[in-house]
Amino acid sequence: DTAVSQTPKYLVTQMGNDKSIKCEQNLGHDTMYWYKQDSKKFLKIMFSYNNKELIINETVPNRFSPKSPDKAHLNLHINSLELGDSAVYFCASSQQGVGELFFGEGSRLTVL
Amino acid sequence: AQSVTQPDIHITVSEGASLELRCNYSYGATPYLFWYVQSPGQGLQLLLKYFSGDTLVQGIKGFEAEFKRSQSSFNLRKPSVHWSDAAEYFCAVGAGVGGADGLTFGKGTHLIIQP
Repeated sequence: DTAVSQTPKYLVTQMGNDKSIKCEQNLGHDTMYWYKQDSKKFLKIMFSYNNKELIINETVPNRFSPKSPDKAHLNLHINSLELGDSAVYFCASSQQGVGELFFGEGSRLTVL
Repeated sequence: AQSVTQPDIHITVSEGASLELRCNYSYGATPYLFWYVQSPGQGLQLLLKYFSGDTLVQGIKGFEAEFKRSQSSFNLRKPSVHWSDAAEYFCAVGAGVGGADGLTFGKGTHLIIQP
């Protein structure tokens, strides 16, 4: 059973389109995150949710909107995709106060 | 704000040789430190972490790391590398208690293993 699962794993789309990436964790954790990894492998936190409440919202364009329907799910919706949005997006989860992150396998987004 | 520096972008090591990957951090309070490994096309896997106590921590796959507060360092070591250790290695520092406010990652070190 995959602990943190993301779908889709690959996403190729045109500029201007809207797309979503879904994430689910079955670890019973109360905190979930989205990280962006660029072409140089640099990982940067985008958002963090704790029990469905937004905790961290880094400097990310408004085109990116996270949604957490329950504490096991954190989805990422991106409007009006731009070339610079091409990256690998990682979902992760942790138990509050523990800090260790468990990562999904990533979703590679390519914007043409 | 916290930050992490991994000074080596690439490191090449012969199979069977020892390995040390460098990591320096900047954080105003007690640091929560982590090393993760990322194999090609995969997510990140935790190798080890330091929260408090013994400054030499043991991790999975034969890795260890030593926390040196005076040098603001948390270097990763392995006495004998295997070809399967070829991967990207990330050092991270956690904000908040136990790093629960999210991790700040270094830019990674790409490890190449020579036969």
